[in-house]
Amino acid sequence: AQTVTQSQPEMSVQEAETVTLSCTYDTSESDYYLFWYKQPPSRQMILVIRQEAYKQQNATENRFSVNFQKAAKSFSLKISDSQLGDAAMYFCAYIGANSKLTFGKGITLSVRP
Amino acid sequence: GAVVSQHPSWVICKSGTSVKIECRSLDFQATTMFWYRQFPKQSLMLMATSNEGSKATYEQGVEKDKFLINHASLTLSTLTVTSAHPEDSSFYICSASRPDYNEQFFGPGTRLTVL
Repeated sequence: AQTVTQSQPEMSVQEAETVTLSCTYDTSESDYYLFWYKQPPSRQMILVIRQEAYKQQNATENRFSVNFQKAAKSFSLKISDSQLGDAAMYFCAYIGANSKLTFGKGITLSVRP
Repeated sequence: GAVVSQHPSWVICKSGTSVKIECRSLDFQATTMFWYRQFPKQSLMLMATSNEGSKATYEQGVEKDKFLINHASLTLSTLTVTSAHPEDSSFYICSASRPDYNEQFFGPGTRLTVL
């Protein structure tokens, strides 16, 4: 079975600074997708970024980028120029052949003005 | 886009009553829909997977007689919490997947409070 581990329950970042959220996963599959989701206080799940395992190039979406290390099974999210609106809970997630999302425990990110 | 709606967004009911939550894919046909439960400050827990026209597949530990799931069409899935009790109070989220996307699209969630 696949597992996703987010070991840091909380992080804090100063506005305009950069923060990195860690995620590791375990799988025996070779073809899969990884995601970072944001859940603000409204609790709507918002897709931040996705990475296909077969792509070596790290995905980027504006201020958000990932460091995907397939051999190490690591998938960290970097948020640049942090904004107050980035404060939320962030979940790392995995989809493999069974099409089910496996989520990490999540990390609460706070942004200090 | 790929928009998923849920109704109601918030429901309060008395213990012993049943509550139905609807999940709709508004602009695409969802081959598979998923139901999650989330407690405050915790992760999403998958309850069941439903495919149109077939019985839902429940995760281990989820009571299928308590949480009835019906996927009547390619755009609608319903979750009925039967004989609800205070311990069923939670946030319920649905998601839908498209065959051409390895991704799930999430509804806004339903907050259930059982008194």
